[in-house]
Amino acid sequence: DTAVSQTPKYLVTQMGNDKSIKCEQNLGHDTMYWYKQDSKKFLKIMFSYNNKELIINETVPNRFSPKSPDKAHLNLHINSLELGDSAVYFCASSQLLGATDTQYFGPGTRLTVL
Amino acid sequence: EDQVTQSPEALRLQEGESSSLNCSYTVSGLRGLFWYRQDPGKGPEFLFTLYSAGEEKEKERLKATLTKKESFLHITAPKPEDSATYLCAVQARGGGNKLTFGTGTQLKVEL
Repeated sequence: DTAVSQTPKYLVTQMGNDKSIKCEQNLGHDTMYWYKQDSKKFLKIMFSYNNKELIINETVPNRFSPKSPDKAHLNLHINSLELGDSAVYFCASSQLLGATDTQYFGPGTRLTVL
Repeated sequence: EDQVTQSPEALRLQEGESSSLNCSYTVSGLRGLFWYRQDPGKGPEFLFTLYSAGEEKEKERLKATLTKKESFLHITAPKPEDSATYLCAVQARGGGNKLTFGTGTQLKVEL
């Protein structure tokens, strides 16, 4: 009964390829997020969605495209992968938008671009 | 721009040796300050939310406090299982719920 799950756990790919990471939450939350954690362990917001609507796009290259088919899922598609995209990507979810609400994180997807 | 600075970057303690981690922040209207714990290879795990200066929260050996400029995470009589990276994050009013994180304090508790 994992609250926030991500697939795959590890992703190794070549430069220039296109890949997707999937995220699902079973908490009944309305808001979902993507964060990127770099090699220095710094976590930074990329996107947030509320009820399938994009709320935050934090100056992320347009090679990154989030898609939310329903409020329980938020996928991240990355085109033309670059070496600098190597990082751990975390999905998170919270109940409310516009309120101080706990964000619950998934286990992360470690992306390695060769 | 919201900023969070955590110190020290790394901390090594003996079991039972109490200490504090610091989180200094600047934010345009604080909605909340969050503490998370992150174990290697895992996602951040929520510990506390603090909303206003003077507030304190406790959980087992951990106590978090908040002032207008910083937060402390006090660890009393730590055990080896408290070893982890502790992350501090702020959420600003009007920021669309985004969390701005510090770079964390890596804590190692030895027997």
